[in-house]
Amino acid sequence: AQTVTQSQPEMSVQEAETVTLSCTYDTSENNYYLFWYKQPPSRQMILVIRQEAYKQQNATENRFSVNFQKAAKSFSLKISDSQLGDTAMYFCAFMRVGNNDMRFGAGTRLTVKP
Amino acid sequence: KAGVTQTPRYLIKTRGQQVTLSCSPISGHRSVSWYQQTPGQGLQFLFEYFSETQRNKGNFPGRFSGRQFSNSRSEMNVSTLELGDSALYLCASRKSSYNEQFFGPGTRLTVL
Repeated sequence: AQTVTQSQPEMSVQEAETVTLSCTYDTSENNYYLFWYKQPPSRQMILVIRQEAYKQQNATENRFSVNFQKAAKSFSLKISDSQLGDTAMYFCAFMRVGNNDMRFGAGTRLTVKP
Repeated sequence: KAGVTQTPRYLIKTRGQQVTLSCSPISGHRSVSWYQQTPGQGLQFLFEYFSETQRNKGNFPGRFSGRQFSNSRSEMNVSTLELGDSALYLCASRKSSYNEQFFGPGTRLTVL
């Protein structure tokens, strides 16, 4: 079974600074996707970034980038130039290719302080 | 393009009752998945429907059921409600298994 672990229940960062959220996962699969989702206080889950396991290049989306270490089964999210609107719960998620059962970590509550 | 919509947004029921939640996916999306979110258990997968067929099911009792209609809209039903069923129920849609999911705002169910 696939499990996703987020070891940081809460984190905070000063506005304009950089923060990294950790995620590790356990799987015997070789083909899978990894995601970071953001859930602001309004509760709508929003996809932040997606990584295909077969791609060695780390995904980036503007201020968001990942450090994907397949051998170590690690998938961390780096947020640069943090903004107040980045305050939210962040969930790391795993999905096997062709399967539709997305597994989520417990989440990290990020607070960006002015 | 309109996002995933869920109705109702809030619901209060008492133990033993049943409830039906509705989800309308993004136009063109044929896959609809349901998740339960609680502070204790986090986000847990309930089931997924594709073209009116249940393709995958999580580890939930038979009191939780669902269906999908020909227009891809989906409903989730919970019978004989228990206090522990109080949760945020999220629906997500996608075009296919190879696309990311888009989530709705959720239905907050409170069981008294």
